[in-house]
Amino acid sequence: NAGVTQTPKFQVLKTGQSMTLQCAQDMNHEYMSWYRQDPGMGLRLIHYSVGAGITDQGEVPNGYNVSRSTTEDFPLRLLSAAPSQTSVYFCASSYRRSAYEQYFGPGTRLTVT
Amino acid sequence: AQKVTQAQTEISVVEKEDVTLDCVYETRDTTYYLFWYKQPPSGELVFLIRRNSFDEQNEISGRYSWNFQKSTSSFNFTITASQVVDSAVYFCALSGRARGKAAGNKLTFGGGTRVLVKP
Repeated sequence: NAGVTQTPKFQVLKTGQSMTLQCAQDMNHEYMSWYRQDPGMGLRLIHYSVGAGITDQGEVPNGYNVSRSTTEDFPLRLLSAAPSQTSVYFCASSYRRSAYEQYFGPGTRLTVT
Repeated sequence: AQKVTQAQTEISVVEKEDVTLDCVYETRDTTYYLFWYKQPPSGELVFLIRRNSFDEQNEISGRYSWNFQKSTSSFNFTITASQVVDSAVYFCALSGRARGKAAGNKLTFGGGTRVLVKP
């Protein structure tokens, strides 16, 4: 199993540009989520999904969109990039129940200039 | 609302010293899960342990041990005889009960504690 994969590893955007961060998992996990990591703030939940076609907002959803058309994929779209979105983005997946640990992808380091 | 506090932002020790990382949490749920993750300098997040709110037994795994005290809402982590490879950022996290379509898997993270082990 590849686990959770994310592309790209690094990205530089100009303010106002849009892009999609890709996330895929091959463990048949129902639950997938996106977090951003900023210095001193731990990881904060952006959006999550409990299955194909079902998504919901996390703690910091503004400026991001998600969709989940398949169990495997959960892309994160930045609609109009802002410098405040400079961060490291992690995708995670797990079985749905909260007892299960989440498996994290390797992260995408995004810089918005 | 859930909250996790890791008051120590950075701890520096010399190899073979013990180091304890504090984690204090807040939740209104009676059923919840606590986790520790390690983030080495390479950047990935590595799962270390999960503990449910009904199990207050301490746990030991090699040089790692965890002390869960519900009375003080704490879930502390100790590395015994630290090694240079233990240098990393360690995160404590909390998940609660699912409500409606909301997943109970939503993790609330603490700010992390950076551990630096010097040779």
